[in-house]
Amino acid sequence: GESVGLHLPTLSVQEGDNSIINCAYSNSASDYFIWYKQESGKGPQFIIDIRSNMDKRQGQRVTVLLNKTVKHLSLQIAATQPGDSAVYFCAEANDYKLSFGAGTTVTVRA
Amino acid sequence: EAQVTQNPRYLITVTGKKLTVTCSQNMNHEYMSWYRQDPGLGLRQIYYSMNVEVTDKGDVPEGYKVSRKEKRNFPLILESPSPNQTSLYFCASKRDSATWGYTFGSGTRLTVV
Repeated sequence: GESVGLHLPTLSVQEGDNSIINCAYSNSASDYFIWYKQESGKGPQFIIDIRSNMDKRQGQRVTVLLNKTVKHLSLQIAATQPGDSAVYFCAEANDYKLSFGAGTTVTVRA
Repeated sequence: EAQVTQNPRYLITVTGKKLTVTCSQNMNHEYMSWYRQDPGLGLRQIYYSMNVEVTDKGDVPEGYKVSRKEKRNFPLILESPSPNQTSLYFCASKRDSATWGYTFGSGTRLTVV
């Protein structure tokens, strides 16, 4: 069946370092993948998305990489800041729903 | 401000007592959806709606009802809540089928005792 999952449940990063959050997916027919950030007490917030016909997409301090050969998705955060501490979810999108992985909790050390 | 508004933010209720969680969006979005979030399970879709009077089941619809009488509102109804419906609930909306990212509300934490 379909599944979207993250490799590691937690990630501790030194402030100023780059963060890499990984995600594996199983549905090769998915058209879109999205990364969400969820801070404590808040709803998921859209970070960046990537279409399945792309390998890389960059935003402000974030880059998403898609490797369709091994069904792997990653989110890179440059110069990690304390405000980046949150739970990060990858999600597989079709026209009416998002299928989420379980999330990676990122903690930024001062 | 463009947003999805849910009420209440917190709710404690007893088994079997009907309740409604309201959701409203001010972005004129066609699609709306309800998710529940549980530890270790991530977010799972309960119901979704593609437009007024058009709704369908998501992955975990049992024990829930929804309605979409107006474009902006999408209430979640628990006719007879049970303890296994204790969860964090999120309403979300998106413009249409050509957009992919949902905008989420701030969540409703429901406890059924």
